[in-house]
Amino acid sequence: NAGVTQTPKFRILKIGQSMTLQCTQDMNHNYMYWYRQDPGMGLKLIYYSVGAGITDKGEVPNGYNVSRSTTEDFPLRLELAAPSQTSVYFCASTRQVLYNEQFFGPGTRLTVL
Amino acid sequence: GDSVTQMEGPVTLSEEAFLTINCTYTATGYPSLFWYVQYPGEGLQLLLKATKADDKGSNKGFEATYRKETTSFHLEKGSVQVSDSAVYFCALSKGFGNEKLTFGTGTRLTIIP
Repeated sequence: NAGVTQTPKFRILKIGQSMTLQCTQDMNHNYMYWYRQDPGMGLKLIYYSVGAGITDKGEVPNGYNVSRSTTEDFPLRLELAAPSQTSVYFCASTRQVLYNEQFFGPGTRLTVL
Repeated sequence: GDSVTQMEGPVTLSEEAFLTINCTYTATGYPSLFWYVQYPGEGLQLLLKATKADDKGSNKGFEATYRKETTSFHLEKGSVQVSDSAVYFCALSKGFGNEKLTFGTGTRLTIIP
């Protein structure tokens, strides 16, 4: 079991560029999440999905898009990168059980210059 | 809305010292409470949880008790080790069929030999 994997580990973007952060889990979890972690700010939920074909906004969705065509994959898309999107991005997943723990990937450190 | 407040860090302790990291929450209803830990360069992992009032979560020598009367979930350990150096996050979830987590800002703990 690889758990939750994320690629890339690091990326530097120029303002206005686009990119997709990949997230894959091999635990057959229904629920998947994208968070961003800013220094001293904890984690903020960007988007989440409760199953293939179903996505919903979290606290800070502006500037991002997601899709969930399979149970395993939950990519996060940045269309027009801005310096405010410099952050560490974590993907997480959990089984559809009340109050179950979330399993996190190792993160992607993104810098927008 | 729901929120979690953690004690400000960073916290530096000597090995074998007693640890307390304070966490209080604001939420309607009956949330479940969690402590997640993030070791350097890694994603978050669940440390312990409590799903109802007066429950005590425990793991790896850490404990936290769900106190509804004081809306608190303080993390404690009787004797810390260098390997406990990490960032600790308090979080809550209300379930609602999506298991979203609301995180505190995190507390960085450094243990010196």
